Amino acid sequence: DAGITQSPRHKVTETGTPVTLRCHQTENHRYMYWYRQDPGHGLRLIHYSYGVKDTDKGEVSDGYSVSRSKTEDFLLTLESATSSQTSVYFCATSVGGELFFGEGSRLTVL
Amino acid sequence: GESVGLHLPTLSVQEGDNSIINCAYSNSASDYFIWYKQESGKGPQFIIDIRSNMDKRQGQRVTVLLNKTVKHLSLQIAATQPGDSAVYFCAVPGYTGNQFYFGTGTSLTVIP
Repeated sequence: DAGITQSPRHKVTETGTPVTLRCHQTENHRYMYWYRQDPGHGLRLIHYSYGVKDTDKGEVSDGYSVSRSKTEDFLLTLESATSSQTSVYFCATSVGGELFFGEGSRLTVL
Repeated sequence: GESVGLHLPTLSVQEGDNSIINCAYSNSASDYFIWYKQESGKGPQFIIDIRSNMDKRQGQRVTVLLNKTVKHLSLQIAATQPGDSAVYFCAVPGYTGNQFYFGTGTSLTVIP
């Protein structure tokens, strides 16, 4: 257990609405990540953070923004959700080259 | 970015048999490889890793083999058990070493 909590775990929203997913860690890991998981695509990196206020884009960053104001929290925001953003979102932290994942947040955009 | 692929999307094995899950990668400069297991409804969990200065690494009932010549790695599970049923991913770091790229996963089903 790497002490990663994602919230909400499930959310249904409508196209065009803003959505924020929260990731909270208790291990004081420097690196944090947001991935999305879709059938046939595996896990794809959206954004990652290498410290407070330090973030960078991943493979599929369009339509997403992130913020990290504290070491323990990493927020993923969909400014205007689209149906293509229906997915399961995983937060992860890393230390020593190993990733630790949260339990996932299932987002459905209608 | 990196390209990581898995050879088979699904694999079914009889309980007690050995399982082999394969993965190919594109970047010959990759020097670290990781296998993850994801059970239904959960996040992926680390299984075993290997560095490029090794050809083989063994864990508890799992062995990872690395063939740098053909850019291929495999995960072998000995005496597969029902609890091994899951999706298995290989992953490699990106050029910064702090990003991780995953294959599409192989879903392993163990038949009792």
